[in-house]
Amino acid sequence: GQNIDQPTEMTATEGAIVQINCTYQTSGFNGLFWYQQHAGEAPTFLSYNVLDGLEEKGRFSSFLSRSKGYSYLLLKELQMKDSASYLCAVSPSGYSTLTFGKGTMLLVSP
Amino acid sequence: SAVISQKPSRDICQRGTSLTIQCQVDSQVTMMFWYRQQPGQSLTLIATANQGSEATYESGFVIDKFPISRPNLTFSTLTVSNMSPEDSSIYLCSVGGLGGTYLQDYNEQFFGPGTRLTVL
Repeated sequence: GQNIDQPTEMTATEGAIVQINCTYQTSGFNGLFWYQQHAGEAPTFLSYNVLDGLEEKGRFSSFLSRSKGYSYLLLKELQMKDSASYLCAVSPSGYSTLTFGKGTMLLVSP
Repeated sequence: SAVISQKPSRDICQRGTSLTIQCQVDSQVTMMFWYRQQPGQSLTLIATANQGSEATYESGFVIDKFPISRPNLTFSTLTVSNMSPEDSSIYLCSVGGLGGTYLQDYNEQFFGPGTRLTVL
């Protein structure tokens, strides 16, 4: 079966740094996605990792360790608009089939 | 990427009735998916819509309750049949397998805006 775990909720302060962890156990691996979803809106793509290491994209970075079945999303210089749900998703078999974690609700306070 | 629209954006329905949700994509795509997202929860895959053949349903979802059509490579419908209040949820259409230069292009999914369904 497929299992993806991430914290349910996190809180942080504007301007701070937050790290959202994701661990996974899947039957196969063709990459890991992070999506952002604001309340009432569709999920939007943030990052994709298929090789070990850190991918940096502006204020957001994502890390992957395939041997540990572990990823994190790092958000720097937090802004109020970063308050959203962050979804970790794994492509276990390729060709766009994704398994989603339950999502981490991030609340950024002033 | 792909631009995806869904109709209706929201609806309030009576118990026992059925609602058909439409998903339209601006380009031909290989893979189309239907998800359910209950309040405060993550996405649960209902089924993969297959063009020209029956949809592939995930465990816990059956064709009688969630019939799906996919007449071509740009359009799909999901029907929620014989609704009950437990079916109140957001239903999302997504597309994937667009292909391209990188592995990401084959695995990434793009989501429609969703249909918010309330069943009374």
